[in-house]
Amino acid sequence: KAGVTQTPRYLIKTRGQQVTLSCSPISGHRSVSWYQQTPGQGLQFLFEYFSETQRNKGNFPGRFSGRQFSNSRSEMNVSTLELGDSALYLCASSLNKVSDTQYFGPGTRLTVL
Amino acid sequence: AQSVTQPDIHITVSEGASLELRCNYSYGATPYLFWYVQSPGQGLQLLLKYFSGDTLVQGIKGFEAEFKRSQSSFNLRKPSVHWSDAAEYFCAVVLFSGGYNKLIFGAGTRLAVHP
Repeated sequence: KAGVTQTPRYLIKTRGQQVTLSCSPISGHRSVSWYQQTPGQGLQFLFEYFSETQRNKGNFPGRFSGRQFSNSRSEMNVSTLELGDSALYLCASSLNKVSDTQYFGPGTRLTVL
Repeated sequence: AQSVTQPDIHITVSEGASLELRCNYSYGATPYLFWYVQSPGQGLQLLLKYFSGDTLVQGIKGFEAEFKRSQSSFNLRKPSVHWSDAAEYFCAVVLFSGGYNKLIFGAGTRLAVHP
């Protein structure tokens, strides 16, 4: 069974731009969670989607948004990029719940200049 | 507030030596606990998990962890470390709060292995 895939793997943007990241979960997994990883703040939960609805969210500003499609694929969008948004963005999928084992993708490395 | 603490930021061990990585959690109910490993430039790989039952949990790559409720700990152990174990290790707990559920990670412990 294929693992979680994320595209693109690397991105370079400038301040003020917006960016969209994509995540394809493991087949049969319906829950997709997104995390931001930075050296200073570590791994922080952004939000979780299930059945095309945001079910859980972390403490990030509204510039961070996401969506999930009927095939469980998910996208994350960051608008009006700031330098501090430079991070590794990780996507994880699980069968149904956040408490189910989450399987992580390789991440998208976003650099904001 | 619920939290996960990994007291050791960096640990260096010699190949073949035993390893213990510490994890303490702050949570009222029985927690859902996980250990993940991250190699440079990679995503996270699950080593093991604890939900209930036997407090000694076996994982992949020869790792095990013991849940100790009295100490609020879930320490990761390996009897003999291999050079390929050099990576960053994260302890995590599922937080159930106010209708929101989320996975909370510790700050991580970076493991270096000397030959």
